Amino acid sequence: QSVLTQPPSASETPGQRVTISCSGSGSNIASNAVNWYQHLPGTAPKLLIYGNNRRPSGVPDRFSASTSGTSASLVISGLQSEDEADYYCASWDDSLTHVVFGGGTKVTVL
Amino acid sequence: QVQLEESGGGVVQPGGSLRLTCAASGFTFSDHAIHWVRQAPGKGLEWVALIWYDGSDKYYVGPVRGRFTISRDNAKNKVYLQMSSLTLEDTALYYCARDRSEHGGFGGAFDVWGHGTLVTVSS
Repeated sequence: QSVLTQPPSASETPGQRVTISCSGSGSNIASNAVNWYQHLPGTAPKLLIYGNNRRPSGVPDRFSASTSGTSASLVISGLQSEDEADYYCASWDDSLTHVVFGGGTKVTVL
Repeated sequence: QVQLEESGGGVVQPGGSLRLTCAASGFTFSDHAIHWVRQAPGKGLEWVALIWYDGSDKYYVGPVRGRFTISRDNAKNKVYLQMSSLTLEDTALYYCARDRSEHGGFGGAFDVWGHGTLVTVSS
C-alpha cells in the first residue's frame, strides 16, 4: 500500500483532458513539494513536474499540476497518443524521512 | 552529456549480497544528492535510498534499512548501493537518479535517471 494514493487507471480520447489525483497527508503533500513523473515501458522515468507546478524545460505546457492541502493533481490537456504511460506522484515525507511515491496511474488514450 | 549509468545487477540467491554502482558524467557530481529507486516486476516505483551531495547524510526506506548501505566517491563520480541479506522481495530494476537541487535532497525531484540494472533474487 503506497503512502500516496493514486487511481490505478485513467482513460480518455485524443484531444480531451485527463486529471490524475494524488492523495497524501500532512507529513508529505501538505508540507513538501510534489513532483510528477511519466514512465513509459522500457524507458527511464521522466520528471514531468517539480515543486508542485513547475515544468522542466522541454515538457509541453499541456502538462500542468496543482496542490491543495493534502492532495495534488496532474492535468494532461489535449491528450495525445504518446501520453499513454504510467504517471507517478512523489514527495518527501517528514515522518518517514524519505521520499514516497504514489502507486502510479496508467493513462490509456482511447 | 549529463547521464547516469547503473551496473552490478545480476542473479543472486536469497541471503546473498550484491553491490550496485551508479556512474555519473556530464555534471558537477559533488553538487547533487543521488537516489536509488526500484521497480519490482509488475509493480510501481519505490524509493530506496538517498545520499547527500557530500555523503554526510543517508536515508533508507524501511524494508532495506540495516541491509542496504549507500555510499559515494566524489573523486570517481560514483555512488554505490551495497545490498546484503537479499530476499525475493528485492527483485527489481534498480535506477539511480539525480536530485534536481544543488546541495539539497529532500525535494524528491529527480531530473536525471539511468536506465536501470536488474537484480534478481532467486534460488
